[in-house]
Amino acid sequence: KAGVTQTPRYLIKTRGQQVTLSCSPISGHRSVSWYQQTPGQGLQFLFEYFSETQRNKGNFPGRFSGRQFSNSRSEMNVSTLELGDSALYLCASSPGGTNTEAFFGQGTRLTVV
Amino acid sequence: TQLLEQSPQFLSIQEGENLTVYCNSSSVFSSLQWYRQEPGEGPVLLVTVVTGGEVKKLKRLTFQFGDARKDSSLHITAAQPGDTGLYLCAGLDNTDKLIFGTGTRLQVFP
Repeated sequence: KAGVTQTPRYLIKTRGQQVTLSCSPISGHRSVSWYQQTPGQGLQFLFEYFSETQRNKGNFPGRFSGRQFSNSRSEMNVSTLELGDSALYLCASSPGGTNTEAFFGQGTRLTVV
Repeated sequence: TQLLEQSPQFLSIQEGENLTVYCNSSSVFSSLQWYRQEPGEGPVLLVTVVTGGEVKKLKRLTFQFGDARKDSSLHITAAQPGDTGLYLCAGLDNTDKLIFGTGTRLQVFP
């Protein structure tokens, strides 16, 4: 079974720009969660999508948004980028239902300059 | 806001030594997971504990879930350089969100 695939692996953007990150979950998994990881704050939950609906949301500003498609693939968008948005963005897929074990992708390293 | 505090934050030991990492919270979690993350990679699930007092062993790693389901520990026996990495605990809260701990960075020297 293929693992979780995140694209791109690395990204450099300028302040004020917007960015879209992509995540393809493990086949058959219906839940996709997004996390931001920084040295200072650790792993912080952004949001979770299940069957194309946002099921949970963390404490991030509205500049951070996401969506999930019918094939369970998910995208995350950050608008009006700030320097503090530089981080490793991780996507995790889970089967959903009562099985919540998360399988992570390698992440997208976003650098905002 | 639920917090999971891990201690120690950093651990640097010689090959062959034993170590314990702690994960503590004032909140109750329905289950708790442990992950290991290596540089440039995403976290990899090691174990899930569900029942208070539960103990699980994975080769040289022993995981325990506290009786009250608020804390957990990871004990590594005879650590090896391959154990080097960032260890993360994560608790499932009452809204089914995974809350991650602050992390313990382990370095094992040969």
